[in-house]
Amino acid sequence: SQQGEEDPQALSIQEGENATMNCSYKTSINNLQWYRQNSGRGLVHLILIRSNEREKHSGRLRVTLDTSKKSSSLLITASRAADTASYFCATDATGIKAAGNKLTFGGGTRVLVKP
Amino acid sequence: GAGVSQTPSNKVTEKGKYVELRCDPISGHTALYWYRQSLGQGPEFLIYFQGTGAADDSGLPNDRFFAVRPEGSVSTLKIQRTERGDSAVYLCASSLISGSYNEQFFGPGTRLTVL
Repeated sequence: SQQGEEDPQALSIQEGENATMNCSYKTSINNLQWYRQNSGRGLVHLILIRSNEREKHSGRLRVTLDTSKKSSSLLITASRAADTASYFCATDATGIKAAGNKLTFGGGTRVLVKP
Repeated sequence: GAGVSQTPSNKVTEKGKYVELRCDPISGHTALYWYRQSLGQGPEFLIYFQGTGAADDSGLPNDRFFAVRPEGSVSTLKIQRTERGDSAVYLCASSLISGSYNEQFFGPGTRLTVL
């Protein structure tokens, strides 16, 4: 079963606009990561935010984390057609022996950026 | 350098057949993960290796699924008596070591179709 849900499930915007998507999760976590996936194949790591961090930036990406609400958001600023993809949040849970850092993914947000 | 590679990229088989999916992790990565992704969903954890041993196989759906990593590098996911519900993209990931803050690098996946 999946850790949580992402909202919205799909998002369509014009090039140049900002895209915001949200992720909710259920259990305590060590960190939360965002991945991008094109055409249903390999996942590309975008950014990792630790449980003691509240905000992180990487280029045009901004991630926030609110552990009290068990939620995170990903903002893509000044979107480009090449940003069209599915975006997934993934959590690494705490307190589980031998968990390694297996990831639990949300259902994803499908983003379409129209030129 | 080379990333995670998976072979075959596509596999079509008939119900009841046996299949093997291969993953070549990034050289030197000790942790290896298998995930399964059904259409329109996020990846779901199957099994995690630390070196040669399966440290966590809690995600394997049933005893038809088995994975090995005999020399601590290449891993093979084996599915016996395949069923139509096994159709999915099987993703492999590796990380330098296990631990909460180590990025997992994903391969392109193997798309398995069971007819």
